[in-house]
Amino acid sequence: NAGVTQTPKFQVLKTGQSMTLQCAQDMNHEYMSWYRQDPGMGLRLIHYSVGAGITDQGEVPNGYNVSRSTTEDFPLRLLSAAPSQTSVYFCASSSGRADQPQHFGDGTRLSIL
Amino acid sequence: GENVEQHPSTLSVQEGDSAVIKCTYSDSASNYFPWYKQELGKRPQLIIDIRSNVGEKKDQRIAVTLNKTAKHFSLHITETQPEDSAVYFCAPTFVGAQKLVFGQGTRLTINP
Repeated sequence: NAGVTQTPKFQVLKTGQSMTLQCAQDMNHEYMSWYRQDPGMGLRLIHYSVGAGITDQGEVPNGYNVSRSTTEDFPLRLLSAAPSQTSVYFCASSSGRADQPQHFGDGTRLSIL
Repeated sequence: GENVEQHPSTLSVQEGDSAVIKCTYSDSASNYFPWYKQELGKRPQLIIDIRSNVGEKKDQRIAVTLNKTAKHFSLHITETQPEDSAVYFCAPTFVGAQKLVFGQGTRLTINP
């Protein structure tokens, strides 16, 4: 049972480039979310989804897009990378909504030069 | 939205001693109170949670206590060990909530 899988684990981008961070879960969870974690900081919600076809904004959505075409996958797109988006990105899923234990992926460490 | 604060932000204890981390929240509708542990370079993982119909829950050396009237809950770790060194996050919420707000984290260091 893989749980929540994130790819890539590490990525370096140049300012202005775009990329997609992948997140997949095999637990048939309806709720999925993306967080960013800056050094020494807590987790801040970027976007979330309560089911296929439904997404909404979190605390810090600017500069990021998401889609949820299947229950399993929840990719995060950076449209035009900026140095301020240098962070560690975590994807999470749960069987209910925010009121259930969150299962996190191992994270993607992203550096924007 | 929920306003969440953790205290202290850093905590250093001697191995074998106890550690207590407090989480205060603002939304009186909150009724689910989890604690997550994040070891250095790793993902956050749930270590214990409690719902509002229970005042205390224990799992071996860790426990969570809830004071709904005062709107805070605490993580207690007894007989601390080096592997307890990590950052701990609280994330109070309510049934049906769509967004989760994490506390800023408490860095716990266990000194041998």
